[in-house]
Amino acid sequence: DTAVSQTPKYLVTQMGNDKSIKCEQNLGHDTMYWYKQDSKKFLKIMFSYNNKELIINETVPNRFSPKSPDKAHLNLHINSLELGDSAVYFCASRNYRGHEQYFGPGTRLTVT
Amino acid sequence: QQQVKQSPQSLIVQKGGISIINCAYENTAFDYFPWYQQFPGKGPALLIAIRPDVSEKKEGRFTISFNKSAKQFSLHIMDSQPGDSATYFCAASITGGGNKLTFGTGTQLKVEL
Repeated sequence: DTAVSQTPKYLVTQMGNDKSIKCEQNLGHDTMYWYKQDSKKFLKIMFSYNNKELIINETVPNRFSPKSPDKAHLNLHINSLELGDSAVYFCASRNYRGHEQYFGPGTRLTVT
Repeated sequence: QQQVKQSPQSLIVQKGGISIINCAYENTAFDYFPWYQQFPGKGPALLIAIRPDVSEKKEGRFTISFNKSAKQFSLHIMDSQPGDSATYFCAASITGGGNKLTFGTGTQLKVEL
C-alpha cells in the first residue's frame, strides 16, 4: 500500500528532450507538491497544487510545467531538458487542514 | 539566502550515544518545524515535528528541543543505533499559503558499532 507513488523511479535522457514524471497519492489528501533535491541533497520546493489549483509556483524555469488532473495526481512535465535539470524530484502530499507532508520515493532524472 | 541553517553537515556517533543536530531559522513567521529522515534511495520520511508554543516534544528516542527566543531548534536521538544512520533534515513552514517546507541543508549521521 504505497501512500505516495512516483513513476518512473529512474529517468535517463538526453539534453533537449521532453519528459514527464507522474505522481499519485492514495491518502485522500488535497494538496500536493513537487520538490527538487540537487546533488548536494538540498531540497527545494518547486510547485504546489491544492485541489487541482496551483498555489505555489517558486522561481522555476518555465520549461517546468506541473499539471494536476485531479487531487490525487500531480504530474511534472519538463521541456528542453538541460544538464542542470539532473536531480531527484520528489512528490509530496498533505491534508489541507494539517501540516504533515508525506513524500514519495523520488524520481532520479539524469540528463546526458 | 538560507532561511534555515543546519549543523553539523556530518556526524559520527557511537552506538548507544546521543546524536544532536541543530537548526536555526530567521523568519519569525515560521510556525511548524518538522524533522525528516532520509535513507539512501528513499524519500524523506517525517520523523517528528513541533509547533512554537511548546519547548520540547518527545517521541520514543527522538526529542525536539525548541528555543523560540533564540530561533533555534534541535533534534536529539537518544541511544543511537546503526539503523539510525541516515540523512536528517530540519524544515520550517508557515501556516497558509501552501505550507511550503523550507529545508535545512541536511546532516549525514553515521552510527558506529
